[in-house]
Amino acid sequence: DVKVTQSSRYLVKRTGEKVFLECVQDMDHENMFWYRQDPGLGLRLIYFSYDVKMKEKGDIPEGYSVSREKKERFSLILESASTNQTSMYLCASSPGATNEKLFFGSGTQLSVL
Amino acid sequence: GENVEQHPSTLSVQEGDSAVIKCTYSDSASNYFPWYKQELGKRPQLIIDIRSNVGEKKDQRIAVTLNKTAKHFSLHITETQPEDSAVYFCAASKTGGFKTIFGAGTRLFVKA
Repeated sequence: DVKVTQSSRYLVKRTGEKVFLECVQDMDHENMFWYRQDPGLGLRLIYFSYDVKMKEKGDIPEGYSVSREKKERFSLILESASTNQTSMYLCASSPGATNEKLFFGSGTQLSVL
Repeated sequence: GENVEQHPSTLSVQEGDSAVIKCTYSDSASNYFPWYKQELGKRPQLIIDIRSNVGEKKDQRIAVTLNKTAKHFSLHITETQPEDSAVYFCAASKTGGFKTIFGAGTRLFVKA
């Protein structure tokens, strides 16, 4: 069974802090994604990566960056957290060279005060 | 840009009734349409998907239909049960692309 693990379930940070969200998958998937989930807006893609050290912007990349140094790990970085980044963050992975079904992590609820 | 519209945003049905959720996509190159179910406090999980070379797919009480001409696809749940209560997301993606575009979600309540 595919496992996508996010390091924290809940995080509380202060405005201006640098925040790291970590995601690890154990199925050797090529593709990894970071989504943000807000009520009434669905899931919006922040960044994705289709290979180690490769990254591509999604639909809402402003204020975020990512790192993929190893195939199994994909990190989301908030360089200077702001209150409008309070949200649920979902990591996902998928196999193959193109888009297939996504396997999601349990999510990190981030509150920026 | 690419988008997926989903309706209704909230749906309340009596146990045993059917539920239908509808989505419209904008990118005519989209060819893969998954549906995800997210129970309260849990991760989204795929429940059914359909590719553009078929018009309908069924899995027990769940079915999905696709109308490529109209760029519509729908989720049908028959004989609903309380455990079907969740948020359902439709999505669309295309071959050669890595983005999955999600609808805004439908919160389904099944009343016992």
